[in-house]
Amino acid sequence: NAGVTQTPKFQVLKTGQSMTLQCAQDMNHEYMSWYRQDPGMGLRLIHYSVGAGITDQGEVPNGYNVSRSTTEDFPLRLLSAAPSQTSVYFCASSLTSYNEQFFGPGTRLTVL
Amino acid sequence: AQSVTQPDIHITVSEGASLELRCNYSYGATPYLFWYVQSPGQGLQLLLKYFSGDTLVQGIKGFEAEFKRSQSSFNLRKPSVHWSDAAEYFCAVGSGSYQLTFGKGTKLSVIP
Repeated sequence: NAGVTQTPKFQVLKTGQSMTLQCAQDMNHEYMSWYRQDPGMGLRLIHYSVGAGITDQGEVPNGYNVSRSTTEDFPLRLLSAAPSQTSVYFCASSLTSYNEQFFGPGTRLTVL
Repeated sequence: AQSVTQPDIHITVSEGASLELRCNYSYGATPYLFWYVQSPGQGLQLLLKYFSGDTLVQGIKGFEAEFKRSQSSFNLRKPSVHWSDAAEYFCAVGSGSYQLTFGKGTKLSVIP
């Protein structure tokens, strides 16, 4: 069981570039989510999904896009990167709404 | 809307001393409460959780937390801190709707 995996681990982008952060889980969890972590801000929810084909916005969704075509994968797309999107991004999954969330190792993104 | 406050941004304790990290939440119904720990450069690991029942919850690594409804608190404690406990600690509240709201974290430093 690999748990929650994220790729890449590090990424540097130029302003205006697009990219996709990958997230996969092998625990057959229905719920998956993306957070960003900034110093002194804790974790803020970007987007989440309660199952394949179902996604919704979290607290800070602007500039990000998601889709959920399979139970296992939940990619996060940056449409046109901005310096304000420099952050550490975490993907998480949960079996049910009452269970703890399992986190991936994170992707550290820098936008120049 | 639910919210979490961790009043202490940074705490320093001596190895072997006791520890208490504070967490206050705001939520209208019975909350689901979690404590996570994050070591530098790592993802988040669940320490313990409270859903219902006994208000004193035992977790991993010798940690415990007590749910006090009257004070809207869920403080984390450890009787004797080890140098390896140095990390950042996050309190989170859930409502059963999959979404977790995190506090901004408390960074723990341990003096040998």
